[in-house]
Amino acid sequence: GDSVTQMEGPVTLSEEAFLTINCTYTATGYPSLFWYVQYPGEGLQLLLKATKADDKGSNKGFEATYRKETTSFHLEKGSVQVSDSAVYFCALSQIQGAQKLVFGQGTRLTINP
Amino acid sequence: NAGVTQTPKFQVLKTGQSMTLQCAQDMNHEYMSWYRQDPGMGLRLIHYSVGAGITDQGEVPNGYNVSRSTTEDFPLRLLSAAPSQTSVYFCASSYIRTGGSYGYTFGSGTRLTVV
Repeated sequence: GDSVTQMEGPVTLSEEAFLTINCTYTATGYPSLFWYVQYPGEGLQLLLKATKADDKGSNKGFEATYRKETTSFHLEKGSVQVSDSAVYFCALSQIQGAQKLVFGQGTRLTINP
Repeated sequence: NAGVTQTPKFQVLKTGQSMTLQCAQDMNHEYMSWYRQDPGMGLRLIHYSVGAGITDQGEVPNGYNVSRSTTEDFPLRLLSAAPSQTSVYFCASSYIRTGGSYGYTFGSGTRLTVV
């Protein structure tokens, strides 16, 4: 079945550092790919998404590019802030907008001032 | 709009007790689903629904029942709670529109502890 693998956490960085969180997937066909963020005590919020190969999703300074050849969707940000501290989830969906999301295990990110 | 509303936010149950986690959405989304979140395992799909009267099992359905009598509501029932069901539960709704646009909205979660 479909699966998503994220880099092991937790990740701790200093403010203004460059961030990469790796995400690879195994799936048939051409799934849609997502990054969700969960701030402490809150639910999940969609951070960005991409629906086809070579698409780049971006939001709030975060970017991720759908790489079909490497089955990857790595999350990057050029300069992180303390407010970016959260848990980040990579996910895929086989049918656009449908009800079934497959999540990675999540990566906890802590940014120190 | 309230979005997706889950109640209660916290609950402690004794082993063997039953309860219902409530989920309601006011966005007229066709699809609704329940996930559980466990440390190191991300979110796993329990049950989902593609519309009123239609439900199906996800990855981890055992010990849970659902029904969808209206578009708005999608309650999750624990029939006989077990410590392995201690988790954070998230309800989500989603839609597909003509032209391919789509979206998901998650509730704020219910933290359940079974002792």
